[in-house]
Amino acid sequence: AQSVTQPDIHITVSEGASLELRCNYSYGATPYLFWYVQSPGQGLQLLLKYFSGDTLVQGIKGFEAEFKRSQSSFNLRKPSVHWSDAAEYFCAVGGGTYKYIFGTGTRLKVLA
Amino acid sequence: DAGVTQSPTHLIKTRGQQVTLRCSPKSGHDTVSWYQQALGQGPQFIFQYYEEEERQRGNFPDRFSGHQFPNYSSELNVNALLLGDSALYLCASSFGRVLAQETQYFGPGTRLLVL
Repeated sequence: AQSVTQPDIHITVSEGASLELRCNYSYGATPYLFWYVQSPGQGLQLLLKYFSGDTLVQGIKGFEAEFKRSQSSFNLRKPSVHWSDAAEYFCAVGGGTYKYIFGTGTRLKVLA
Repeated sequence: DAGVTQSPTHLIKTRGQQVTLRCSPKSGHDTVSWYQQALGQGPQFIFQYYEEEERQRGNFPDRFSGHQFPNYSSELNVNALLLGDSALYLCASSFGRVLAQETQYFGPGTRLLVL
């Protein structure tokens, strides 16, 4: 069955510290992988996506993610977190324009 | 260039009522997908419309129905509302022809509260 697991429900980091959010997926075919961010009361904003090619993907707001097929993972990283990064982050897997399957999200808190 | 827009932003209904939510896709997009996001959960796929027809459906009952208009805008209808239908309803648009790599772009959502 297709699924996405985000093991960490909540993560707290200090401003300026590095960040890694974990995502593991189960998908029968070649996955298309996405990270979205959702601020309180808002919709989803696309941070980055992986379709093929280079396994290290750069996104907006200084985020990057690395696709590791052997580990079925697509972890999101940022070298230095800003207070404005506090939000909920969702990993999703999809097969193009059809449905996306989302994880349950990781809520990020940033300490000043 | 307008992004995905949804209306209304919030609404409150009572059990048993019916509700209609609306979505206008991003300019140039012809495919609309609807998702339900319950509190504390990730979005769950409801269905997708392309060329005015339902192309794919998730695990939602027939109380959930939709429509796509010739201008690609879409409506989500929910009949016989239950308390459990309270959620944020997200609309996503994409270009749905040949390329599988088209990304879905999400609107701000409609928050529905059923009392």
